[in-house]
Amino acid sequence: RKEVEQDPGPFNVPEGATVAFNCTYSNSASQSFFWYRQDCRKEPKLLMSVYSSGNEDGRFTAQLNRASQYISLLIRDSKLSDSATYLCVVRLDAGNNRKLIWGLGTSLAVNP
Amino acid sequence: DGGITQSPKYLFRKEGQNVTLSCEQNLNHDAMYWYRQDPGQGLRLIYYSQIVNDFQKGDIAEGYSVSREKKESFPLTVTSAQKNPTAFYLCASSPGLGLRYEQYFGPGTRLTVT
Repeated sequence: RKEVEQDPGPFNVPEGATVAFNCTYSNSASQSFFWYRQDCRKEPKLLMSVYSSGNEDGRFTAQLNRASQYISLLIRDSKLSDSATYLCVVRLDAGNNRKLIWGLGTSLAVNP
Repeated sequence: DGGITQSPKYLFRKEGQNVTLSCEQNLNHDAMYWYRQDPGQGLRLIYYSQIVNDFQKGDIAEGYSVSREKKESFPLTVTSAQKNPTAFYLCASSPGLGLRYEQYFGPGTRLTVT
């Protein structure tokens, strides 16, 4: 099982739709979680950090379920500009082993 | 404006040549990182540095070297020993290595070795 797994998609949705992505992680020692977005041939940009059960920022809501070991990202009222790849990142802190583990990303295409 | 700069954006080299990628930040961040990204693969950590004059190997350090002589700068050298150097190289920084420190990325350098 991969340490961080995401459905690669692509998710094709119309403008205004609500879309949700899940990300599962395998190591229960994972401490922090992040969502980044990456546009084609560009660098990843931080979208949200998820430290407790979840948080909301405008149209974006991230939730964490430690018992089931997954985080989710919900995007409401999708815009054309939301089209990108969304990367799930899990931070592992276990003794001297401290690192970020990156998922392969979920591709989203918002269509007019 | 604060940020991370990487240069050049595109770099072409012949096999067998060493090449150095630049990364500079003016965010006053302590920690800096180098990743590579290949199609169909997640970001993989090459090296990271927590403070000046200190750096640690990441998951795929073989064939690479770094230095951290200044807080603002963390150059990466891709040596001829790196078997598959063609990739998208990303530099990142964070305030520290603490639990809640998000990483911020530069625009990346696309290296092509033929």
